[in-house]
Amino acid sequence: DAKTTQPNSMESNEEEPVHLPCNHSTISGTDYIHWYRQLPSQGPEYVIHGLTSNVNNRMASLAIAEDRKSSTLILHRATLRDAAVYYCILRMNRDDKIIFGKGTRLHILP
Amino acid sequence: EPEVTQTPSHQVTQMGQEVILRCVPISNHLYFYWYRQILGQKVEFLVSFYNNEISEKSEIFDDQFSVERPDGSNFTLKIRSTKLEDSAMYFCASRGTVYNQPQHFGDGTRLSIL
Repeated sequence: DAKTTQPNSMESNEEEPVHLPCNHSTISGTDYIHWYRQLPSQGPEYVIHGLTSNVNNRMASLAIAEDRKSSTLILHRATLRDAAVYYCILRMNRDDKIIFGKGTRLHILP
Repeated sequence: EPEVTQTPSHQVTQMGQEVILRCVPISNHLYFYWYRQILGQKVEFLVSFYNNEISEKSEIFDDQFSVERPDGSNFTLKIRSTKLEDSAMYFCASRGTVYNQPQHFGDGTRLSIL
């Protein structure tokens, strides 16, 4: 299975941008990069996904390295509500299930 | 925005009893999933379901587990004879028909086995 590596935890100040890194050096050409997050006492929540190009949506931006061996989830202006565990996941072609790692626990300081 | 709903939010059951966890997926979704998360651990895949059949199951999903879509709206997970180690959060998820669409998760059922 292609694997991802994320820092165990990160801190950021409220109202500042947050860059959450993810390494996936064994990614294959057809793997999509997905990000989910899990707020306290809630189920995982989809954030964003991409294949090669950078992606933006109302929640975040996803910056993908040119060689695709790493990516960064960008929260443009963190709020207290963004405190959660963020999971970087490779969705392999023809593999429908999601394999969650330990993710990065993001703490937002007021 | 449509969402996946799960009931009950918390289920307490005696060891050895049967339990049914219920989920109402998003209405036009056709792919359904169950995951579980033991306290303090990772979210683990249990089973995927499409067209009234199990598509894939993990090693955790043994003969004590079963899934069913009894009608057009509900998707259930049954554990026949619960064990202490079945205590966990159980999450239902669903997705639309295009491959690689995101899965949408419910907020889970906390199952406590006594």
